[in-house]
Amino acid sequence: NAGVTQTPKFQVLKTGQSMTLQCAQDMNHNSMYWYRQDPGMGLRLIYYSASEGTTDKGEVPNGYNVSRLNKREFSLRLESAAPSQTSVYFCASSERGLGNTEAFFGQGTRLTVV
Amino acid sequence: RKEVEQDPGPFNVPEGATVAFNCTYSNSASQSFFWYRQDCRKEPKLLMSVYSSGNEDGRFTAQLNRASQYISLLIRDSKLSDSATYLCVVNQFSGGYNKLIFGAGTRLAVHP
Repeated sequence: NAGVTQTPKFQVLKTGQSMTLQCAQDMNHNSMYWYRQDPGMGLRLIYYSASEGTTDKGEVPNGYNVSRLNKREFSLRLESAAPSQTSVYFCASSERGLGNTEAFFGQGTRLTVV
Repeated sequence: RKEVEQDPGPFNVPEGATVAFNCTYSNSASQSFFWYRQDCRKEPKLLMSVYSSGNEDGRFTAQLNRASQYISLLIRDSKLSDSATYLCVVNQFSGGYNKLIFGAGTRLAVHP
């Protein structure tokens, strides 16, 4: 079982470049999330999607956009990368219902903006 | 103030020690609670859910105090393989969907 698959695993961007981080899950989960993790900061929620067609801002949405393309896929786009966006990005998914909320994570994308 | 706060660590303990991690959360509407484990440069993975009655899984015991908005994790007889970062997570269910909020994590290093 693939679970949650993120691509790419590593990326180096120049300031001002754009890119899209891809995420797909094969567990038929309704909810999907994008987090960033910085040293000493833990995981911070960028955007989440409760279901196909819906997205909402999390704690740190500035500089990012998302698309919930279908139930399986949730992409994160950086339109104009900045050094402050250097981080490790994790995509996750979970069931919608209360009490069944284990989150499954992708392996992460290590992004460096120079 | 962060919604979920944890002891920052690191906790450096010898094998066989008992170690306890604490976590507090600010939103009383939080409805379910978890501990996740994250190994170095890896993704977080669920360690255990936390229930009001307390729950145990082998050497791991989790407790929840809703009145104090406090969560704990106790690890007995620590093993070298327990070395990792432990993340406290709360789930806020509103509008028909879940939103998971993570603490910054507590790093544990178990040494021989």
